[in-house]
Amino acid sequence: GEDVEQSLFLSVREGDSSVINCTYTDSSSTYLYWYKQEPGAGLQLLTYIFSNMDMKQDQRLTVLLNKKDKHLSLRIADTQTGDSAIYFCAESTGNTPLVFGKGTRLSVIA
Amino acid sequence: GAVVSQHPSRVICKSGTSVKIECRSLDFQATTMFWYRQFPKKSLMLMATSNEGSKATYEQGVEKDKFLINHASLTLSTLTVTSAHPEDSSFYICSAEAEGQIQPQHFGDGTRLSIL
Repeated sequence: GEDVEQSLFLSVREGDSSVINCTYTDSSSTYLYWYKQEPGAGLQLLTYIFSNMDMKQDQRLTVLLNKKDKHLSLRIADTQTGDSAIYFCAESTGNTPLVFGKGTRLSVIA
Repeated sequence: GAVVSQHPSRVICKSGTSVKIECRSLDFQATTMFWYRQFPKKSLMLMATSNEGSKATYEQGVEKDKFLINHASLTLSTLTVTSAHPEDSSFYICSAEAEGQIQPQHFGDGTRLSIL
């Protein structure tokens, strides 16, 4: 079945850029998403990208998609302590449940 | 944006109790609702998919008699954990989807269930 893989941990200093990586296996993925989960809370959609796009930028967030390698990344510029959370990559073909990665725990050191 | 409300946010109860969790879409009609379970430091595990007015589709390994799902209207789905035991303690999250939306699922804030 479909699989989404992420590294489990990332630690960065406040003010630096964070890059969270994700790989997926389903070549028919149409939508790719990044969600943020703070402790004890549900999932907050950060951004998404269609499979026919290479890059999307939204304020401090930049998503890069390499469809050939099935690789997705999320770059957070000027990382702040409030960015500390778990970040989930997810993919969908549009008419199936989302498939989530295991999440990357981002720790921001002041 | 679209809002999904999930209640209660936290439940602590004794073993053997049945617990009902509600998931409501506040400003859109949810044709499909999803129930997830999240173990500590783990990803979300899809438990079941429910469509309004029909029986839920359960994922492999999820006991349908243990986790009763009702999707009686386009804005409300409920998950009832029957005769809960300590191993059912977990974080349960619902999400709702409306046809035609770019973002396929809007998530509730989750319910922390603790069975003593």
